[in-house]
Amino acid sequence: GESVGLHLPTLSVQEGDSAVIKCTYSDSASNYFPWYKQELGKGPQLIIDIRSNVGEKKDQRIAVTLNKTAKHFSLHITETQPEDSAVYFCAAVTSGGSYIPTFGRGTSLIVHP
Amino acid sequence: DAGVTQSPTHLIKTRGQQVTLRCSPKSGHDTVSWYQQALGQGPQFIFQYYEEEERQRGNFPDRFSGHQFPNYSSELNVNALLLGDSALYLCASSLRQGSEKLFFGSGTQLSVL
Repeated sequence: GESVGLHLPTLSVQEGDSAVIKCTYSDSASNYFPWYKQELGKGPQLIIDIRSNVGEKKDQRIAVTLNKTAKHFSLHITETQPEDSAVYFCAAVTSGGSYIPTFGRGTSLIVHP
Repeated sequence: DAGVTQSPTHLIKTRGQQVTLRCSPKSGHDTVSWYQQALGQGPQFIFQYYEEEERQRGNFPDRFSGHQFPNYSSELNVNALLLGDSALYLCASSLRQGSEKLFFGSGTQLSVL
């Protein structure tokens, strides 16, 4: 089955800096890659996603890039703000298969004011 | 537009007891999935319900069972509770079976003593 790995359990940045969180996946059939943000006491919320036929997608300060050859995808947050502090989860999905996302362990992003 | 709602928010049980958790999906959604999230881990898929039937199941024992009602709401039942069942239980709904975009509730924090 699919395995999703995260490179950093914790990432600490200063407000205004950029943050990059990288994930790897194992199944080359995976073709949909969402990122979820989980704030304390809340469930994960989808913040951005990308499909395998696209290399990059942007939404205001957030972007996701995908490298299918290397089987990794990254979340980029620019001009970080304290409210960006949360745990970020990457996931991989095989559309046309089970449609069930396999989640990584999560990176705790801490943005210092 | 109400999002995914779960009840109760917190629950304390002792080993061997049984527990029932409840979930109402986002308006317009007909598919409900349940996840277990241990501390510091990503969500782990338990099972998915669509049209009142269990459609897919993750690697969880038969002690975990569920139900979906005609109004698309769902219950998760766990029998013979173990200490290791202590976790945040998340319900996620999606627009239809096969939709990769999940909308999560805030979860039920279960503590087994």
